[in-house]
Amino acid sequence: GDSVTQMEGPVTLSEEAFLTINCTYTATGYPSLFWYVQYPGEGLQLLLKATKADDKGSNKGFEATYRKETTSFHLEKGSVQVSDSAVYFCALKAAGNKLTFGGGTRVLVKP
Amino acid sequence: SQTIHQWPATLVQPVGSPLSLECTVEGTSNPNLYWYRQAAGRGLQLLFYSVGIGQISSEVPQNLSASRPQDRQFILSSKKLLLSDSGFYLCAWSPGAATNEKLFFGSGTQLSVL
Repeated sequence: GDSVTQMEGPVTLSEEAFLTINCTYTATGYPSLFWYVQYPGEGLQLLLKATKADDKGSNKGFEATYRKETTSFHLEKGSVQVSDSAVYFCALKAAGNKLTFGGGTRVLVKP
Repeated sequence: SQTIHQWPATLVQPVGSPLSLECTVEGTSNPNLYWYRQAAGRGLQLLFYSVGIGQISSEVPQNLSASRPQDRQFILSSKKLLLSDSGFYLCAWSPGAATNEKLFFGSGTQLSVL
């Protein structure tokens, strides 16, 4: 079945550091890929997405490129802020409207 | 604008007690509705989804059930809670069009079964 694997946290960084969260997937066909973010005390919200190979999703300084050859969708940000502290979820959708999520990665950015 | 309400935010229940979590969506009609659960240290698992009133699909066998008595209301229930039912429960909705990929989540319910 479909599955998503992402690096375990917590990831602790200083402000302005470079952030990478690895995500790999297993799916039949050609899934759409997503990153969701959950800020403290809030629900999940869509951060970015990519729907086909080599697409790059971007939002709020975050980027992720759909790599079909490596079945990956790593999330990156060049300079993190304290406000980026959150839990990040990688997800895929291969059929219908059902998302398969990874385990989540907690990111803590210290001033 | 569309909003999703989920309550309560936290709940502590004894083993064997019943459960009812409610989720409502405003500002849209005929949404697809979902219940997800996140157990400690694990990813989000889809429990139920619904494409219309009275239409419920269950993804995994479990001690829980779901109902959709109204178009924008989705209820997660259990007659007798188990310790393994503890976790973080999220309600979500998406526009009814099958090709739409956006999913909007509620703020979640942290359920502790003791």
